[in-house]
Amino acid sequence: NAGVMQNPRHLVRRRGQEARLRCSPMKGHSHVYWYRQLPEEGLKFMVYLQKENIIDESGMPKERFSAEFPKEGPSILRIQQVVRGDSAAYFCASSPLAGGFNEQFFGPGTRLTVL
Amino acid sequence: RKEVEQDPGPFNVPEGATVAFNCTYSNSASQSFFWYRQDCRKEPKLLMSVYSSGNEDGRFTAQLNRASQYISLLIRDSKLSDSATYLCVVNGGRGSTLGRLYFGRGTQLTVWP
Repeated sequence: NAGVMQNPRHLVRRRGQEARLRCSPMKGHSHVYWYRQLPEEGLKFMVYLQKENIIDESGMPKERFSAEFPKEGPSILRIQQVVRGDSAAYFCASSPLAGGFNEQFFGPGTRLTVL
Repeated sequence: RKEVEQDPGPFNVPEGATVAFNCTYSNSASQSFFWYRQDCRKEPKLLMSVYSSGNEDGRFTAQLNRASQYISLLIRDSKLSDSATYLCVVNGGRGSTLGRLYFGRGTQLTVWP
């Protein structure tokens, strides 16, 4: 059973470009979470999605950031008009059940560098 | 105030030592508690869940004190492979925040031979 897959693993963008980060949850998991880890900081929750629904997006900046988890295909975290402060590791996690009662399984992360 | 606070360390201990990490959390509604381990530039991986009754997994023992909102992790007989950053994690507690996890900044452990 493959784990959580994220791609790309490394992404370099210039200021003002768009970044698209993809996450495929573990097989059988319908709950997806995105977290951001800034250098020397802890992981910060961004958004929680279930298939075709955003459950909690209160941790995500209201401007330039959006997330989706379509019926088919991976979850996408999209960052428009990137700025240097967006440089971070973005981790996706998935779980088979709702909520934070159970283990969330993390992908290897996408390291975004904004030049 | 941060949701989860940990002593960042670093802790540098010899093989075989016993080391303890502590953390506190601010949300009294939190219902699930975990210790995750993160190796350098890798993803976090669950080490163990933490229960009010305390729980043990081999050399690792976790304790939870809900009254003081305090969580601990004890590692006995440290191994070189225990070198990592240990993350104290709690869930959001209620309603729409239930699904989110709050992470401490982590406590860095280095075990030397």
